[in-house]
Amino acid sequence: DQQVKQNSPSLSVQEGRISILNCDYTNSMFDYFLWYKKYPAEGPTFLISISSIKDKNEDGRFTVFLNKSAKHLSLHIVPSQPGDSAVYFCAASALTGANNLFFGTGTRLTVIP
Amino acid sequence: DAGVIQSPRHEVTEMGQEVTLRCKPISGHNSLFWYRQTMMRGLELLIYFNNNVPIDDSGMPEDRFSAKMPNASFSTLKIQPSEPRDSAVYFCASSLALYGSPLHFGNGTRLTVT
Repeated sequence: DQQVKQNSPSLSVQEGRISILNCDYTNSMFDYFLWYKKYPAEGPTFLISISSIKDKNEDGRFTVFLNKSAKHLSLHIVPSQPGDSAVYFCAASALTGANNLFFGTGTRLTVIP
Repeated sequence: DAGVIQSPRHEVTEMGQEVTLRCKPISGHNSLFWYRQTMMRGLELLIYFNNNVPIDDSGMPEDRFSAKMPNASFSTLKIQPSEPRDSAVYFCASSLALYGSPLHFGNGTRLTVT
């Protein structure tokens, strides 16, 4: 059973617009959430994280929002750039900062120039 | 910093054969993780080590899978015998510590079992 779900396999966005990637989780013990970005033929790279004590974390063009009551988080990219085209994985763990992560299936983002 | 190094990049083998995937973590990192990526299940954690000791192998799908970390700079994931459903991309990742530092992934090994 998939504890972290990304229900949109793909997303296309025009350059300069906002990209919103969504993630849902089922395990109420999860308290640390991350987003990883993956280019073809490469391993995932860490993008941004959020602890359950926060509802928002921002890093440049990337913002992650957490809604604990809905067990939902989202990644906003503003403005989107062609170089952002990649697969984005949502991940979670049950111990803050722990690296034994549960990943979603990924969302492929395409930013159209 | 050379990053996490995995070998081979691609492996094609026949059903029933033994497969060994290799990983060299980043020097100084004391935690190592093996993940498997499939379209249906995304990235699944198979096993992880801390200071060369296996901490949790509950993600290993079957007894056909085994992993070792004989020293701080080397780990292997072995599948014996391999089956077509083992076809996937296998990633190794390391981190400075089990907590509080991000995972650094290798570029993966694409395994095809025919």
